[in-house]
Amino acid sequence: QKEVEQNSGPLSVPEGAIASLNCTYSDRGSQSFFWYRQYSGKSPELIMFIYSNGDKEDGRFTAQLNKASQYVSLLIRDSQPSDSATYLCAVIKTDSNYQLIWGAGTKLIIKP
Amino acid sequence: EAGVTQFPSHSVIEKGQTVTLRCDPISGHDNLYWYRRVMGKEIKFLLHFVKESKQDESGMPNNRFLAERTGGTYSTLKVQPAELEDSGVYFCASSHGGEQFFGPGTRLTVL
Repeated sequence: QKEVEQNSGPLSVPEGAIASLNCTYSDRGSQSFFWYRQYSGKSPELIMFIYSNGDKEDGRFTAQLNKASQYVSLLIRDSQPSDSATYLCAVIKTDSNYQLIWGAGTKLIIKP
Repeated sequence: EAGVTQFPSHSVIEKGQTVTLRCDPISGHDNLYWYRRVMGKEIKFLLHFVKESKQDESGMPNNRFLAERTGGTYSTLKVQPAELEDSGVYFCASSHGGEQFFGPGTRLTVL
């Protein structure tokens, strides 16, 4: 079992709709969760982090965390073609405060 | 403010050769990390420097990989001798203790 799992996609969403990206993790002790966006050939860019159960909103982005289910998601409202990218879920390794454990990423395509 | 830079952007070498990758972190960032993404796989942690000291090198695959950070500024990652399975994208990141900022990566191809 992978430590962090994501559906590789591609996930195709019409422009203006809500894109929902999901991630599960295996280490129940994990405390810190991150969503990175990566455009093709570019570096990963942090867009959201979440530490507590529940929702965290930042503009069009909402991160949702459910530690009991070991599940973290990212919602993108009013999806734009510029949101088309690969979204990477990452978790800080237990007993570390810096080592990121990554999912393989979900490719998101927003169709105009 | 300049971001994390990496050089070269691409490198194509033959099996058995040596390659050195360079990372220049954001000025003032004491923490420097190396990660690698092999094609089709997830990004994997390689090691972490705090200033010039190796804090954690638990992710280094084997002794063919050597990372240095002389003077606590830029870092190099040398692969000697390179093997086919070393092909992938090598990312460097730096931080001041919080968010890790990533460089554009070096795509290494070993033929």
